Amino acid sequence: QLQLQESGPGLVKPSETLSLTCSVSGGSISSSSDFWAWIRQRPGKGQEWIGSIYFSGSTYYNPSLKTRVSISVDTSKDHFSLKLSSATAADTAIYYCARQSGDYGAYYFDYWGQGILVTVSS
Amino acid sequence: EIVMTQSPATLSVSLGERATLSCRASQSVSSNLAWYQQKPGQAPRLLIYDASTRATGVPARFSGSGSGTEFTLTISSLQSEDFAVYYCQQYNNWPPLTFGGGTKVEIK
Repeated sequence: QLQLQESGPGLVKPSETLSLTCSVSGGSISSSSDFWAWIRQRPGKGQEWIGSIYFSGSTYYNPSLKTRVSISVDTSKDHFSLKLSSATAADTAIYYCARQSGDYGAYYFDYWGQGILVTVSS
Repeated sequence: EIVMTQSPATLSVSLGERATLSCRASQSVSSNLAWYQQKPGQAPRLLIYDASTRATGVPARFSGSGSGTEFTLTISSLQSEDFAVYYCQQYNNWPPLTFGGGTKVEIK
């Protein structure tokens, strides 16, 4: 059974970079044709897709966050990471990592991590 | 960007009754639509993909229909464990991938 687990600081200061890692177990990041994604949920709100990465390193970002986001993958460790620069209080959210499965450009989220709450505050 | 609109925002249903949730896309997403269930304190769970295909382990009382811009999630007979928030999400045209605002199914 595939499992994903987010890790990283739960508190980030304004203007600093929010950094999270998603560890994948029960499968390999590079063994399939899936994408690996970050999604967030602000307090009391719905889901917001942040970006996705393919095991080869190709990335896709939400245009609304593109100037501040970087997603990378380490296939040797079966994990992928998120960096969101210049954090503000508006970035306070539960951050989820997820696997995107599908084909021919159409990919849905079939496995999710449990989520990690990140608060941006001084 | 494709905007996903869900209605109603809240649906009050009695145990054993049928629940019908709607999702509308601002432009056609073909059948590239998924439904997720989220309970408090939990991550979303995939219920339906490709508009009508149940994910592994999802009970048969959940069904999805529609294509293009209009979609429906139906829960045929509400069980206590079905009270949750449901989100639709399009994956036909991305980036960005977009979600609806959610429908909360509560006990009547």
